[in-house]
Amino acid sequence: QQQVKQSPQSLIVQKGGISIINCAYENTAFDYFPWYQQFPGKGPALLIAIRPDVSEKKEGRFTISFNKSAKQFSLHIMDSQPGDSATYFCAASKDGYKYIFGTGTRLKVLA
Amino acid sequence: NAGVTQTPKFRILKIGQSMTLQCTQDMNHNYMYWYRQDPGMGLKLIYYSVGAGITDKGEVPNGYNVSRSTTEDFPLRLELAAPSQTSVYFCAIKEGLSSPLHFGNGTRLTVT
Repeated sequence: QQQVKQSPQSLIVQKGGISIINCAYENTAFDYFPWYQQFPGKGPALLIAIRPDVSEKKEGRFTISFNKSAKQFSLHIMDSQPGDSATYFCAASKDGYKYIFGTGTRLKVLA
Repeated sequence: NAGVTQTPKFRILKIGQSMTLQCTQDMNHNYMYWYRQDPGMGLKLIYYSVGAGITDKGEVPNGYNVSRSTTEDFPLRLELAAPSQTSVYFCAIKEGLSSPLHFGNGTRLTVT
């Protein structure tokens, strides 16, 4: 119930392509769904986040799609660039101060 | 990362030794957290604090202790290091319930 399942574990995309990372959850009490980006040797940093009252949120090349009925949400990176190569984590929270993180997706964008 | 300072950056411990991982913030945020990150396992919450003098257990607290005597500092203590505690440890802060988590750059700990 407290898990957030993330897939794929790793992803290789050509420059200019679309990267898609998926997450699924069970606990319907979750009401905040952020995505974090992490570069080697650094801590994760917030990329984009969504609440379940909207089905999509876009910030630049990054879009979250949210399907409340399926309890799934995904991150889409449009026009993927080599600089996007990083590890991405989805997360979920039900109380605003404790997050459950997915297991991470290592993205590599080929030049 | 701005606002959260973790020391040391790297440490090698022998089994049974103890150490304290330091986390200091200059943002005056109430909420502070300790996570550990293992390959393929994501980030697991060890302990958290909602203010000075208040701490609580997360998902994986066994083998660790914390204290929060000031708003700025949230040290994580390992009393009897075990190989299973080999990990990267991240401290994070949060201003309020609607605010994002801000992470430090981590401490890489190896227990041999």
